[in-house]
Amino acid sequence: DQQVKQNSPSLSVQEGRISILNCDYTNSMFDYFLWYKKYPAEGPTFLISISSIKDKNEDGRFTVFLNKSAKHLSLHIVPSQPGDSAVYFCAASVAALGGHAGGTSYGKLTFGQGTILTVHP
Amino acid sequence: NAGVTQTPKFQVLKTGQSMTLQCAQDMNHNSMYWYRQDPGMGLRLIYYSASEGTTDKGEVPNGYNVSRLNKREFSLRLESAAPSQTSVYFCASSERKEGNQPQHFGDGTRLSIL
Repeated sequence: DQQVKQNSPSLSVQEGRISILNCDYTNSMFDYFLWYKKYPAEGPTFLISISSIKDKNEDGRFTVFLNKSAKHLSLHIVPSQPGDSAVYFCAASVAALGGHAGGTSYGKLTFGQGTILTVHP
Repeated sequence: NAGVTQTPKFQVLKTGQSMTLQCAQDMNHNSMYWYRQDPGMGLRLIYYSASEGTTDKGEVPNGYNVSRLNKREFSLRLESAAPSQTSVYFCASSERKEGNQPQHFGDGTRLSIL
């Protein structure tokens, strides 16, 4: 049962254009969402996150959009650069009950399968 | 500026051998995690430790054991390695406080079991 899905295994984009990576989830209890970037032979690197109380979060060239009714989030990269070429993972978690650092599910991430982004010069 | 350090980086085992993967973090994080990454499946949680002295099973715990040695170190042990455990293993850590905190990952251990 794949609770977090990235249905596009790969995406190819021209330098300077927008890259849009998509992610769908099924567990309505998820309320914290993250994007990680991974280069070969390295660990995933945190990129950007969004809480379920927001529908958009922006950090420089990266923007994450959350549509809770559709259980869908997306990562926009504008403008795309060749150095952005990597595998992108979306992840989701259930926040601690009552907003405090407790609860058995706190902090556990469920990852999607990843999307390979290639940005061509 | 080390962050999360995993050793070894590569290992080849024979079926039935045992091995311990080491992980240490220097960010004073309370929570630590072990994941495995297999082709087409993303990262799956094996075990985690919400705080020093506690450990809990994740999504795929069978065939593994863990030890939270102290606040810095969290080890993963394969008692009798099987070919199905060939994978890349990632350790991660995060703060445990009010609000959501991202996890920080090591560079992985690439494990092959023949």
